[in-house]
Amino acid sequence: AQSVSQHNHHVILSEAASLELGCNYSYGGTVNLFWYVQYPGQHLQLLLKYFSGDPLVKGIKGFEAEFIKSKFSFNLRKPSVQWSDTAEYFCVANRDDKIIFGKGTRLHILP
Amino acid sequence: NAGVTQTPKFQVLKTGQSMTLQCAQDMNHNSMYWYRQDPGMGLRLIYYSASEGTTDKGEVPNGYNVSRLNKREFSLRLESAAPSQTSVYFCASSELGLARGWDTQYFGPGTRLTVL
Repeated sequence: AQSVSQHNHHVILSEAASLELGCNYSYGGTVNLFWYVQYPGQHLQLLLKYFSGDPLVKGIKGFEAEFIKSKFSFNLRKPSVQWSDTAEYFCVANRDDKIIFGKGTRLHILP
Repeated sequence: NAGVTQTPKFQVLKTGQSMTLQCAQDMNHNSMYWYRQDPGMGLRLIYYSASEGTTDKGEVPNGYNVSRLNKREFSLRLESAAPSQTSVYFCASSELGLARGWDTQYFGPGTRLTVL
């Protein structure tokens, strides 16, 4: 069955630390990949997406993600996190009219 | 520009009761979606509507019905609520739909439903 796996359910970091959230998907072939974020009290919103071209994609608020086809991975990175990055992050895959969300990673940044 | 709005925000039902969750978008999007989110789980697609007048089942459609009332509105109905339907329900909309896999979805604030 198609699936999206997020490696960490809960991550705690201090401000200025570097961040990498892992995401692996089980689809073969062409797949569209997204990271969505839900800040406390806000709607779920798009952080970044990949569908073709440069496998390194940049999103809002200094986030980036790298699509590595050979590893079926789409990891999210940020070199220096801020307290305002505290949120829940979802990796999402879309292929053939099917959309699958990962279980989410709760990121907590200590001031 | 309100984006995607949902009503109500919270609801408590007894087993067997019925209710309708309302969703509206003001972005002139063609496609709309209903998801549920359970603790420790990602969002799962219940139903979606690629365009006005069409609806399709998602991953977890059992126990739900939907109506695409017009281009703006997409409602989700629970005919006979069960405790297993306790969840947070999210509505979303997008311009192009799932067939255009790169399409961005815009989400509402969610409805927290408890079925006793």
